[in-house]
Amino acid sequence: ETGVTQTPRHLVMGMTNKKSLKCEQHLGHNAMYWYKQSAKKPLELMFVYNFKEQTENNSVPSRFSPECPNSSHLFLHLHTLQPEDSALYLCASSQDQGGFNTDTQYFGPGTRLTVL
Amino acid sequence: GESVGLHLPTLSVQEGDNSIINCAYSNSASDYFIWYKQESGKGPQFIIDIRSNMDKRQGQRVTVLLNKTVKHLSLQIAATQPGDSAVYFCASHPYGQNFVFGPGTRLSVLP
Repeated sequence: ETGVTQTPRHLVMGMTNKKSLKCEQHLGHNAMYWYKQSAKKPLELMFVYNFKEQTENNSVPSRFSPECPNSSHLFLHLHTLQPEDSALYLCASSQDQGGFNTDTQYFGPGTRLTVL
Repeated sequence: GESVGLHLPTLSVQEGDNSIINCAYSNSASDYFIWYKQESGKGPQFIIDIRSNMDKRQGQRVTVLLNKTVKHLSLQIAATQPGDSAVYFCASHPYGQNFVFGPGTRLSVLP
């Protein structure tokens, strides 16, 4: 285990539902990340939080809304998603963001999301 | 911007043989590189990293080689085992920026 947990592991939702993904890290890190992983495509960075402050929003549609109440927890709130949003959503954490020696990211197991 | 690619989307090797997985990056300012392993149903797992001031780094059964001249990175797995079957992808890190990830190579180990 990497010290990063995600719940739920699988989620099926309709386009009108509201759901949330949760990530928790037990590594004492200060930066947390949301990525989208679609089949046969590289990881796509969605959001970055460093010391609870959002430092990156990679042109993500507003139907995805992140929340970081503290350095250990990260949420991704989902609302009126589209079928093309179906993917594996990965959370990661690192000691810090942007530094020279502390950026190695450790990933959780992901949430497999299916939008019907 | 930075882009990262791999030469082969799939690779099959016989159990016990050595595996070589390649990666190319575009930004010469990238100063840190990581190889990840992702097994089915799991998140990416850190395998080994290398900084731009090195050209080779060895771990347990794995070696990463960095050729900055041609912006090429490779992962060598010695005596490949069935448990090595997974998707492997590299990530490059331009200093002060976010990581850029490659699309991945699926390694299959044949009995």
